[in-house]
Amino acid sequence: QSALTQPASVSGSPGQSITISCTGTNSDVGAYNRVSWFQQHPGKAPKMMIFEVSNRPSGVSNRFSGSKSGNTASLTISGLQAEDEADYYCSSHTTSSTHVFGTGTKVTVL
Amino acid sequence: EVQLVQSEVEVKKPGESLKISCKGSGYSFTSYWIGWVRQMPGKGLEWMGIIYPGDSDTRYSPSFQGQVTISADTSIRTAYLQWSSLMASDTAMYYCVMGSGGPYYFDYWGQGTLVTVSS
Repeated sequence: QSALTQPASVSGSPGQSITISCTGTNSDVGAYNRVSWFQQHPGKAPKMMIFEVSNRPSGVSNRFSGSKSGNTASLTISGLQAEDEADYYCSSHTTSSTHVFGTGTKVTVL
Repeated sequence: EVQLVQSEVEVKKPGESLKISCKGSGYSFTSYWIGWVRQMPGKGLEWMGIIYPGDSDTRYSPSFQGQVTISADTSIRTAYLQWSSLMASDTAMYYCVMGSGGPYYFDYWGQGTLVTVSS
């Protein structure tokens, strides 16, 4: 069970939109609509930003959106803000009834 | 309010055993899955496994099967992660998580337990 593949880093200027990809296989990302996204600031516990591909938990800004096509899921952050600078991880339920995280993406706000 | 409160920092020697805990409150402990996530220093997140306290159904990620034991005591609303013989490579932050949407996503996180294994 290999980690899902994410770009190591993505950057953007304030106000811009960025997209983070998360590529898996038909045994995880492609199997179900059970992809989540987490934001982690340094020294803090992760926080769920998206669940079930495109749903936002209560309290999460609508600047965060998710989508999926085939074996690749994506997280888009629109109207980029300084507070969005953090590490982001995707996670998927798998056909083995376990879970797998992505490799993680460092988002930098220029 | 849902809370997951984890045990504090642990410093151990290689070969020692360890059991860390995660106490849930503010929800029906037996009705929601709890998971454990490892984060080694400067590295990414890794799923270790999940447990359903209601019937102790436990599922381990392949990398952790046989390496750790996940359990839960419903009488005190506490989940556990234990090792029988620690290695230096077990040095990491360990998070417990709770899923309000069945075993498919985990939206509540504990504060983390830092485990350091060093001779």
